[in-house]
Amino acid sequence: GQQVMQIPQYQHVQEGEDFTTYCNSSTTLSNIQWYKQRPGGHPVFLIQLVKSGEVKKQKRLTFQFGEAKKNSSLHITATQTTDVGTYFCAGANQAGTALIFGKGTTLSVSS
Amino acid sequence: NAGVTQTPKFRVLKTGQSMTLLCAQDMNHEYMYWYRQDPGMGLRLIHYSVGEGTTAKGEVPDGYNVSRLKKQNFLLGLESAAPSQTSVYFCASLDRVNSPLHFGNGTRLTVT
Repeated sequence: GQQVMQIPQYQHVQEGEDFTTYCNSSTTLSNIQWYKQRPGGHPVFLIQLVKSGEVKKQKRLTFQFGEAKKNSSLHITATQTTDVGTYFCAGANQAGTALIFGKGTTLSVSS
Repeated sequence: NAGVTQTPKFRVLKTGQSMTLLCAQDMNHEYMYWYRQDPGMGLRLIHYSVGEGTTAKGEVPDGYNVSRLKKQNFLLGLESAAPSQTSVYFCASLDRVNSPLHFGNGTRLTVT
């Protein structure tokens, strides 16, 4: 079945350092979504990428969708303690009726 | 709007007991989902529904049953709970294909 792989599983950074998480799918995706889950919370939608090669920015967060629509990345510039949490990518199943999540990257930030 | 509401928030079961987790959404969404979250495993899809009266299996459906008798409710049942079903369960809903998922706050289930 479809698999969505995400690396690294954990990342610890000093406040102010950059952070990147990578997502790879075993199949071509129609789109990819990114979610953030704060400790003890539920996943919250961040962004959706649809087009091949698409790049979107949200303040210090930069999201990219690969040319082949099989990989994506999330880059955070100059991390802050408020960035702490687990970041998930998710791709639609073949029927487009459900989202399959990667295992997530848990980011910790020390000040 | 309450969004997606899950009940209960916490539950402890003994092996072999049964229970039903309730998910209710007030956004008139067609699609509803049950995920489980375990450390290091991310979010895994258990079952989902693309409309009232329909259900489908996800990645890890064994040991669970679901029902969607009303559009706003999606029930997840455990007929005979096992310790391997100790997890945090999230319900989510979707307005239409390729739109964002809206999650409930989760149910923390422990099976002893």
